Amino acid sequence: NAGVTQTPKFQVLKTGQSMTLQCAQDMNHNSMYWYRQDPGMGLRLIYYSASEGTTDKGEVPNGYNVSRLNKREFSLRLESAAPSQTSVYFCASSERGDIKPQHFGDGTRLSIL
Amino acid sequence: DAKTTQPTSMDCAEGRAANLPCNHSTISGNEYVYWYRQIHSQGPQYIIHGLKNNETNEMASLIITEDRKSSTLILPHATLRDTAVYYCIVISGNQGGKLIFGQGTELSVKP
Repeated sequence: NAGVTQTPKFQVLKTGQSMTLQCAQDMNHNSMYWYRQDPGMGLRLIYYSASEGTTDKGEVPNGYNVSRLNKREFSLRLESAAPSQTSVYFCASSERGDIKPQHFGDGTRLSIL
Repeated sequence: DAKTTQPTSMDCAEGRAANLPCNHSTISGNEYVYWYRQIHSQGPQYIIHGLKNNETNEMASLIITEDRKSSTLILPHATLRDTAVYYCIVISGNQGGKLIFGQGTELSVKP
């Protein structure tokens, strides 16, 4: 039971480098989400995709872009990484974007030097 | 802004019930109460949710007051593996599923 799979699990980047975080779910869910979590804080929504073909900004979208490649996959791209983007990134999916529970991946730990 | 207030931390003895409170005094009629938990370094895990009736599943029970301004998550027999940060979140069906996480309650289950 894979659920939500995120790759890579760890990554170190230099300032200015670009990077794409991958997320895939095998639950046939319509909605997918990207969050970031900074030390000692709760998760904050970066972008979400209510359904295939749609994406919307969340609470902290600046510096990021997303692509809903198909129903299974939702990627997050950092075009020019900055130290302030050092964080743990979580992808989640839900059956649909209303009150259905979200299922989370194990996260990508990203450090930007 | 998070719409909920939770204690920062709580302790519980192993085998005893853990009762985690949440205040959501501004909850509106169409908002549900959700509970998630995050075990260290892992992604959040859905526990339970409810609208106005008490709910129970294999993990926990959710007690919502009659005025819906507060709720309590109950882990009936806490184990060491229940040590985690517990998040209480209110959300309505027209918010696109956008969860707003507060600071949560750090529950420590002790032997």
